[in-house]
Amino acid sequence: AQTVTQSQPEMSVQEAETVTLSCTYDTSESDYYLFWYKQPPSRQMILVIRQEAYKQQNATENRFSVNFQKAAKSFSLKISDSQLGDAAMYFCAYRSAGYALNFGKGTSLLVTP
Amino acid sequence: KAGVTQTPRYLIKTRGQQVTLSCSPISGHRSVSWYQQTPGQGLQFLFEYFSETQRNKGNFPGRFSGRQFSNSRSEMNVSTLELGDSALYLCASVRTSGNQETQYFGPGTRLLVL
Repeated sequence: AQTVTQSQPEMSVQEAETVTLSCTYDTSESDYYLFWYKQPPSRQMILVIRQEAYKQQNATENRFSVNFQKAAKSFSLKISDSQLGDAAMYFCAYRSAGYALNFGKGTSLLVTP
Repeated sequence: KAGVTQTPRYLIKTRGQQVTLSCSPISGHRSVSWYQQTPGQGLQFLFEYFSETQRNKGNFPGRFSGRQFSNSRSEMNVSTLELGDSALYLCASVRTSGNQETQYFGPGTRLLVL
């Protein structure tokens, strides 16, 4: 079974600074997809960014970017110019074809002024 | 485009009762997935439906069931509720583009079992 590990239960960053959230996964598949979701206090899960395993180029979405290391099975999220609205629980998720999303336990991000 | 709609948003039930939760996916999306989120177990997959057929099922007891209608709306049912069923139930609308799938989540239904 595929497992997703987020080793940082909590992280803190100052406004305007950069923070990196870690995620590792275990799989024997070669074709899969990786995601970062954000869950603010409203509990609405919001897709932040996605990465296809076959793509070597790291995905970016505005202030959010990933560092995808396929051989190391690592998928970290970098948030640049952090804003107060970035405070939330962040979940790393994995999906291979024919299977459901498999989530990590989450990292709680605190943004301080 | 309207987002994923889940009803009701909040629900309080007592042990032994049953409950039905509803999910309307984004227009044009034919697949719906359901997840249970609890503080202890995190996010766990319940089941996935595509064109009215269950395509995947998670490791939950038979008390948990679901279905999908021809308009892609989905319902999940939990019978004989237990205290441990208290959770946030999330529905995701799945967009398929070629071999790529992306899940967009609804606001969830918070179920409290007393």
